[in-house]
Amino acid sequence: DGGITQSPKYLFRKEGQNVTLSCEQNLNHDAMYWYRQDPGQGLRLIYYSQIVNDFQKGDIAEGYSVSREKKESFPLTVTSAQKNPTAFYLCASKSAGESTDTQYFGPGTRLTVL
Amino acid sequence: AQSVTQLGSHVSVSEGALVLLRCNYSSSVPPYLFWYVQYPNQGLQLLLKYTTGATLVKGINGFEAEFKKSETSFHLTKPSAHMSDAAEYFCAVSYSGGYQKVTFGTGTKLQVIP
Repeated sequence: DGGITQSPKYLFRKEGQNVTLSCEQNLNHDAMYWYRQDPGQGLRLIYYSQIVNDFQKGDIAEGYSVSREKKESFPLTVTSAQKNPTAFYLCASKSAGESTDTQYFGPGTRLTVL
Repeated sequence: AQSVTQLGSHVSVSEGALVLLRCNYSSSVPPYLFWYVQYPNQGLQLLLKYTTGATLVKGINGFEAEFKKSETSFHLTKPSAHMSDAAEYFCAVSYSGGYQKVTFGTGTKLQVIP
């Protein structure tokens, strides 16, 4: 079955540590996205990538970094510079052909900083 | 710049009653509009979308939405609520060209009372 996988589902981190969230898709999509979800704030865009080896900052990129070395993979690193990293993180992908195309979402990773 | 406003962070309806979730958008160019549903601790799933053509759009699970340009609205409706409709609903907007960016509203949690 085609889809998006995120791992792990739950992640605990100590303050001052970097942590990497995995996102893999087998939908052959060019565009991939990372969102952060906090209660009452909806989804806020962290980074997005339209093609391999290229990515752009979203609205809240500070304290995060990404890479896009393969079409299928778009890992997100939450660095120690991110002041309030506890949140639910969602990865999504879509065909880069048209803005009308649907975004497909992974099941999410819940990150808690202890 | 584009934005989406969802009126009412929480909506309660009785089982069998009409569901109406409100979404207004702001866009300087013709928008593409989406409704997504999210069940607890899961990713988002597309309910329906408006791109061009017919302004009344039918989606999955009996939901529909009407694009009203004069009111800059894209409200989501369902004639008869079911217990399984309890979830959080997000309205989103994108537009042709640009960076494939999708802007989400803050979400509306729907409670269905038996």
